Amino acid sequence: GQQLNQSPQSMFIQEGEDVSMNCTSSSIFNTWLWYKQDPGEGPVLLIALYKAGELTSNGRLTAQFGITRKDSFLNISASIPSDVGIYFCAGQSFYNNNDMRFGAGTRLTVKP
Amino acid sequence: NAGVTQTPKFRILKIGQSMTLQCTQDMNHNYMYWYRQDPGMGLKLIYYSVGAGITDKGEVPNGYNVSRSTTEDFPLRLELAAPSQTSVYFCASSYADRAYNEQFFGPGTRLTVL
Repeated sequence: GQQLNQSPQSMFIQEGEDVSMNCTSSSIFNTWLWYKQDPGEGPVLLIALYKAGELTSNGRLTAQFGITRKDSFLNISASIPSDVGIYFCAGQSFYNNNDMRFGAGTRLTVKP
Repeated sequence: NAGVTQTPKFRILKIGQSMTLQCTQDMNHNYMYWYRQDPGMGLKLIYYSVGAGITDKGEVPNGYNVSRSTTEDFPLRLELAAPSQTSVYFCASSYADRAYNEQFFGPGTRLTVL
């Protein structure tokens, strides 16, 4: 099946540090997306990637769509306390845009 | 715009009971989705709809039913609740056929089946 392996599961960092997380899959995806979920809320889209090799930034966030279409990473630079939350990668199926698979999430804790 | 709204926020069911989770969006999106999120896991797609009157199964549809009689509403029905259906349920909506199909999520319904 189209399962996504997201790592690390959790990270504890100091404010100001950079963060890196990634997702891999044995299947190819048409699109990679990165979401953030705050406690008690639904996920909110951070970055969407449409083309293999694409590198996209959104403020302190940078994400890349792997050349093989089977992986993606998200970097957060100079972390701040409000970066705390759970970050999910998601891939849209190559065959069905409505079939989106999510990774298990990376729980980020930022210590002031 | 209120975006995607879900009711109720919390619910406790007994095994075998039935209930309907409500989802409404006011963004005139034609695509709507239901996901479940188990503790420590990502979201899994239950059902989706590409427009009024059209629904299709996702990754984990067993034990659930949906209907889409209007563009705005997409209720999820549990007929015979089981402990395995204890989860947080998210509804989402999006425009059709966009390159990346950005989905907007509701705040979720936390369901416990005892």
